Amino acid sequence: QQPVQSPQAVILREGEDAVINCSSSKALYSVHWYRQKHGEAPVFLMILLKGGEQKGHEKISASFNEKKQQSSLYLTASQLSYSGTYFCGTEIYGNQFYFGTGTSLTVIP
Amino acid sequence: DTAVSQTPKYLVTQMGNDKSIKCEQNLGHDTMYWYKQDSKKFLKIMFSYNNKELIINETVPNRFSPKSPDKAHLNLHINSLELGDSAVYFCASSLFPGPNQPQHFGDGTRLSIL
Repeated sequence: QQPVQSPQAVILREGEDAVINCSSSKALYSVHWYRQKHGEAPVFLMILLKGGEQKGHEKISASFNEKKQQSSLYLTASQLSYSGTYFCGTEIYGNQFYFGTGTSLTVIP
Repeated sequence: DTAVSQTPKYLVTQMGNDKSIKCEQNLGHDTMYWYKQDSKKFLKIMFSYNNKELIINETVPNRFSPKSPDKAHLNLHINSLELGDSAVYFCASSLFPGPNQPQHFGDGTRLSIL
């Protein structure tokens, strides 16, 4: 049931862009995105509820495809502070909530 | 003020012992969760309570028993600790259960079994 994220890890230079994908074999009620810095708690970024929805958060935005089986997180002009592990979180049946496999993002100067 | 607070932050103990982790939220949320994050960073939901009632109970050994004395508190008691229980345990809360509710996490409890 756990959604699969790709890539597993990515290294960027400051100012570069990245895309993180989250895929499920079943249609999802919603997609959450969280960022977890090393040794800290996951922090909520955004939620997408509708197929075709796009949402932005400063230079971080996300989309949810029409079939509601895939979401992508877009990080543009990356900053050092973007480093961390990004998780999608999805709800499939009722209150059954699953986090994705995680993507480690490292931004270097 | 810390929104979701967990105690203790670190817990080092021996196999076979029983231990508890406490969680409190001051956000006025109705729903609370326990997650386990293993060494590979996989985050897995264990339990969820809504207004003191259990609503999610994933496949977790019955050595793990959650208790919610009121909707602001969700504690986790673990009996007969095993090596495989070593992990970071996160408490979280949301306003309500449901797909459109962001979750707010505590700082985690790092459990190490010797």
